[in-house]
Amino acid sequence: AQRVTQPEKLLSVFKGAPVELKCNYSYSGSPELFWYVQYSRQRLQLLLRHISRESIKGFTADLNKGETSFHLKKPFAQEEDSAMYYCALLTGGGNKLTFGTGTQLKVEL
Amino acid sequence: DTAVSQTPKYLVTQMGNDKSIKCEQNLGHDTMYWYKQDSKKFLKIMFSYNNKELIINETVPNRFSPKSPDKAHLNLHINSLELGDSAVYFCASTRTGTEAFFGQGTRLTVV
Repeated sequence: AQRVTQPEKLLSVFKGAPVELKCNYSYSGSPELFWYVQYSRQRLQLLLRHISRESIKGFTADLNKGETSFHLKKPFAQEEDSAMYYCALLTGGGNKLTFGTGTQLKVEL
Repeated sequence: DTAVSQTPKYLVTQMGNDKSIKCEQNLGHDTMYWYKQDSKKFLKIMFSYNNKELIINETVPNRFSPKSPDKAHLNLHINSLELGDSAVYFCASTRTGTEAFFGQGTRLTVV
């Protein structure tokens, strides 16, 4: 069965410090992975997806099939990055989106 | 203009009651979901529908009954509410295999 693991429940960094939010997945097929973000009192929204290979708000994520990882990175954290971040895996012929347990990122001044 | 809308936003009710949460999307998507987010912010898939047909039911108690009258709507009816049902319920929709759009959530409190 597919599974998404985010080992850190809370990650606290100072403004300007690098950020890495970890995500590991377990899936026998070809994975399609996403990062979603939930800002305070807002709905979940897509941050980025691996097939796009783009940088959004300074965040990037590279799929590493050997390590079954899709870590989210940003070189310099900003205060507005404080939010809940979810890694997600799409399977089931595109009909099942499974989320990790989420990591709360707190950027302190 | 809201892409995915849920009603109500807040719902406070007593144990044993039956309640419904409605979800509508105007994106023309063919897949809709219900997720439950508990107090620890865990986001767990409950149901997935594709073109009005149930695709995924993740061992949800049968007190929960989703209904999809058409592709644009996926409602969630809950019978005999229990304290443990208190959570935020999110509806989402996608065109199969693409980005999921979420509703603003319904905060259900069972007292």
